[in-house]
Amino acid sequence: DTGVSQDPRHKITKRGQNVTFRCDPISEHNRLYWYRQTLGQGPEFLTYFQNEAQLEKSRLLSDRFSAERPKGSFSTLEIQRTEQGDSAMYLCASSPWVSGATYEQYFGPGTRLTVT
Amino acid sequence: AQTVTQSQPEMSVQEAETVTLSCTYDTSESDYYLFWYKQPPSRQMILVIRQEAYKQQNATENRFSVNFQKAAKSFSLKISDSQLGDAAMYFCAFLSGAGSYQLTFGKGTKLSVIP
Repeated sequence: DTGVSQDPRHKITKRGQNVTFRCDPISEHNRLYWYRQTLGQGPEFLTYFQNEAQLEKSRLLSDRFSAERPKGSFSTLEIQRTEQGDSAMYLCASSPWVSGATYEQYFGPGTRLTVT
Repeated sequence: AQTVTQSQPEMSVQEAETVTLSCTYDTSESDYYLFWYKQPPSRQMILVIRQEAYKQQNATENRFSVNFQKAAKSFSLKISDSQLGDAAMYFCAFLSGAGSYQLTFGKGTKLSVIP
C-alpha cells in the first residue's frame, strides 16, 4: 500500500487551455473523492465516486469540469477552458466503504494548478 | 448545512510545551464524526485524530488529544510535548453520519513550533 498518488504535482497552464489530473487511490478503497483548496482556505468538496459511479457533484463543479473513474480504479479530473479562478490545489482522497460504517478519508499530495 | 469554524488563523508554541487549537461547528444532526487533519508545508494531509459524536470519551493518539464538548459544539485539539515536526496547518473537519461522503473543513490554523 503506497497511499494515494496524484499526477502531476504541479501544472502551469495558460487561460483557455484544457488540463487533466490523475489520481490513483489506495488499491482496496472503493470510494474516491475530489476536493479543491484555495489559498488560506480548507478543502472544499467537488465530487465523489463509489467504484465507477459518480454519485455526487458539488455546485462548485461547473460544466467545464468533468471527472471519471473508469473501471473503479484511478480517476481523472479534467478542466476545460481554464480560467484564472481555477488556480488552486486539487486534492484527491480515497476511503473504503461498507454500508453502515464510516471511514476516514486518506488524501493524496495534491496537484497545484496555476492558470496564467 | 454544516459549518466548521477555526477562530485562530495562526498559533505558536515553544518546543516541548502544550498548545490547544480551537474548533467549533454547527449542525442539527446527532450522528456525526469529527476529525483533525495535519497538512505540513508542501506535503499531503494526514489524519491526526478522529472522534465519534456518540462517544463520550475524548479521543487520544499519543501526544494528541481532543476536548469534545457536544452540547457546546466544540472540538479542540491539544498537542502535548510539541515537536518541531508538529509545525503545519491543522484543519478541523466534520462528517455526517454513516454513509456520508462530504468532509466539511474549517479554514485551518497554522501552527509554528519555536525551538
